[in-house]
Amino acid sequence: EVQLVESGGDLVQPGGSLRLSCAASGFTFSSYSMNWVRQAPGKGLEWVSYISGGSFVYYADSVKGRFTVSRDNAENSLYLQMNSLRDEDTAVYYCARGRYTTSIYDYWGQGTLVTVSS
Amino acid sequence: EIVLTQSPATLSLSPGERATLSCRASQSVGSSLAWYQQKPGQAPRLLIYDASSRATGIPARFSGSGSGTDFTLTISSLEPEDFAVYYCQQRSNWPITFGQGTRLEIK
Repeated sequence: EVQLVESGGDLVQPGGSLRLSCAASGFTFSSYSMNWVRQAPGKGLEWVSYISGGSFVYYADSVKGRFTVSRDNAENSLYLQMNSLRDEDTAVYYCARGRYTTSIYDYWGQGTLVTVSS
Repeated sequence: EIVLTQSPATLSLSPGERATLSCRASQSVGSSLAWYQQKPGQAPRLLIYDASSRATGIPARFSGSGSGTDFTLTISSLEPEDFAVYYCQQRSNWPITFGQGTRLEIK
């Protein structure tokens, strides 16, 4: 059974940093692209970042230069390093598996809440 | 950036009725469009990918159609568990974008 479990969400002050993790199981992690998608309270879905199995990356303009996505295929884990956090980064952050190597999100974690506030 | 516009914003129907949800892209996305369902407090769930292919385990009452810029998600006969928010998503061009969502509510 495919499982994705996010962790690391917290309350952080503007300008602060946070590292999110996503533990994957039930599939060959290195063979799939992985993504972070976020959802601000009461709002829609926003794609944040993509990383291929070989660690090729893409970012949304809203986070480029501040967020860094990485993966450890040996540990079946996905990470999102978030720096220079802003109020507008407040959201539930989901990790989502790309179907094979595509950006079709076939499995999602339960999400982890990041709150940026002073 | 490709903008996806979903309509209507809210759709009020009764169980057993047919639901038709629309997603229009600001430029052609070919068939690279997916639909997701999200219930309160839950993660989104993939329903349809590549415009018309049902994801694993999705009931046959869900169907997708369209190509280019105009897409439709149809639910043939609404079940109580189908009332939720539905999002379309394109993967034709970076950045990946989602529509703003259609809320399907019980009339």
